[in-house]
Amino acid sequence: QSALTQPASVSGSPGQSITISCTGTSSDVGSYNLVSWYQQHPGKAPKLMIYEGSKRPSGVSNRFSGSKSGNTASLTISGLQAEDEADYYCCSYAGSNVVFGGGTKLTVL
Amino acid sequence: EVQLVESGGGLVQPGGSLRLSCAASGFTFSSYWMSWVRQAPGKGLEWVANIKQDGSEKYYVDSVKGRFTISRDNAKNSLYLQMNSLRAEDTAVYYCARDVAGRGYWGQGTLVTVSS
Repeated sequence: QSALTQPASVSGSPGQSITISCTGTSSDVGSYNLVSWYQQHPGKAPKLMIYEGSKRPSGVSNRFSGSKSGNTASLTISGLQAEDEADYYCCSYAGSNVVFGGGTKLTVL
Repeated sequence: EVQLVESGGGLVQPGGSLRLSCAASGFTFSSYWMSWVRQAPGKGLEWVANIKQDGSEKYYVDSVKGRFTISRDNAKNSLYLQMNSLRAEDTAVYYCARDVAGRGYWGQGTLVTVSS
């Protein structure tokens, strides 16, 4: 039940693109196509941004995209906007349980 | 529209007990695994427990095994978390969630504070 590994922080300027990585193991990220990404603003509940690795729920901007290679999943945000500043968490199915990443704070400079 | 509404949080002394409830609507509750996820103040998200559609399988994070029990009542479209022997480190916002690792739906959370 080890947490997935994410960078503690990333930053970018408006209009730029950033990528947040999420590294797991062959028991979680590497074995299942059930990786999701959540955005959380302070004091708010997490909001689903990507599910099943690369799918976007309706209403989520196409500036958000997800991918996976081996044991590492990634979230890319293009055309950064001020409102993208938030915490981002990856999440993976791991057989009988679920594991989260430690979270990444995105700062829009 | 999928809705999940948690209740039952509050202030409890160390060693005490609390029962959280989650009322589900907008989907066929009995068709989905359900989960509890928590977030301690200033910390990240932590999966706590999940339960199969018919309640026959339940899984827990190591830190709550033997103290917390997840259950559900499909007739009432409700999910529960019985929390016993509470510790200060259990202080968190507790979220009820469906498909947390998939097409996730979450409630707004209920705050549990363990303090004397």
